[in-house]
Amino acid sequence: DIQMTQSPSPLSASVGDRVTITCRASQSISSYLNWYQQKPGKAPKLLIIDAYNLQSGVPSRFSGSGSGTDFTLTISSLQPEDFATYYCQQSYSTPRTFGQGTKVEIK
Amino acid sequence: QVQLVQSGAEVKKPGASVKVSCKASGYTFTTYYMHWVRQAPGQGLEWMGIINPSGGSATYAQNFQGRVTMTRDTSTSTVYMELSSLRSEDTAVYYCARNSGIYGYRNGDVFDIWGQGTMVTVSS
Repeated sequence: DIQMTQSPSPLSASVGDRVTITCRASQSISSYLNWYQQKPGKAPKLLIIDAYNLQSGVPSRFSGSGSGTDFTLTISSLQPEDFATYYCQQSYSTPRTFGQGTKVEIK
Repeated sequence: QVQLVQSGAEVKKPGASVKVSCKASGYTFTTYYMHWVRQAPGQGLEWMGIINPSGGSATYAQNFQGRVTMTRDTSTSTVYMELSSLRSEDTAVYYCARNSGIYGYRNGDVFDIWGQGTMVTVSS
């Protein structure tokens, strides 16, 4: 199974900050890396597909990059509604696996 | 609109079984595979398996082999996940999530639509 490791966890930031979350795969997954946002008591929401493609309706302050084993999710200017937990997930092989999550907290 | 509506919360005793349903609407049920993902309290997301609603075949994660069964009813556009021999560690929210690829399950497919989740509590 492919292990996904996120950092940091948690992450403390303020509104307006630029925030970067890193995800590392235990082997190369090409660009088959997706990001999800989850708020308390809610199902995860798809944000980014294939490392850098924004899902329809996702604000442009979110961006993704990377390939192979190292990936990043960046929020260019953190908004109040962005405080949540973020998960990376590989879609390169079965079983599908997720990172442990990065909780973005208010500083 | 496209949505997945899951059954309500369950409380089960250790050793029992639970069956969670996920009713799809707003799209052609048989054209998209369906995943099951669970999340223990305060923990991350764990993939359990995937079912083809058209043929009914399923693939399960190694951790659940022998304990999980995924089925579907095409007449009601509903998929089911049954987990047996429950233990306290199975206490979690269970989600169904649609696979984004049409007519198949491939590299690059994502979980594009999620159910609202079903809380399963295992306690004596």
